[in-house]
Amino acid sequence: GENVEQHPSTLSVQEGDSAVIKCTYSDSASNYFPWYKQELGKGPQLIIDIRSNVGEKKDQRIAVTLNKTAKHFSLHITETQPEDSAVYFCAAPRRGAGNMLTFGGGTRLMVKP
Amino acid sequence: EAGVAQSPRYKIIEKRQSVAFWCNPISGHATLYWYQQILGQGPKLLIQFQNNGVVDDSQLPKDRFSAERLKGVDSTLKIQPAKLEDSAVYLCASSLGAGENTGELFFGEGSRLTVL
Repeated sequence: GENVEQHPSTLSVQEGDSAVIKCTYSDSASNYFPWYKQELGKGPQLIIDIRSNVGEKKDQRIAVTLNKTAKHFSLHITETQPEDSAVYFCAAPRRGAGNMLTFGGGTRLMVKP
Repeated sequence: EAGVAQSPRYKIIEKRQSVAFWCNPISGHATLYWYQQILGQGPKLLIQFQNNGVVDDSQLPKDRFSAERLKGVDSTLKIQPAKLEDSAVYLCASSLGAGENTGELFFGEGSRLTVL
């Protein structure tokens, strides 16, 4: 099955700085890599995703890069704001009938004002 | 558009008791998932339904957990008997597509279970 490792587990940055979270995956056949944001007491929410036919995707202050050869992908948040404080999860599909997502262990991002 | 609805939001039970969680997915979403999220960890898939059929339940502890989606809409997840290690948030999610075209998962706010 798919193994997804995420680091760091916690990240503290000053408001306005950039934050980078990295994930590695094990299944070379994986072709879809989403990032979810989970605020306290809520379910995870998709913030950006990338498919394996592109190397980078950007949406305003967030971007995701993918290196298929090395089997890792990263989330980049620029100009961080206090409302970016949350837990972020990467995921990759587990090969099988349902292509179910396997989630990483999460990164708690704290943006200090 | 209404989101994924879950109830109850919180439940406290003693070990060996039973509990049931309910989920109503987004209208029109064929695929429904139950995830278990232990404090400080990522969500772990328990079971996936497409319409009212089970796609994968390989990570569901079938000796104590059961789930059903009888009419292809609402779903219930039951634990009987509960163990201390079942304390977690149980997240329900739904998606419009399935398999290679799953796309975005929409999560409910979860049901937090505490087993004493």
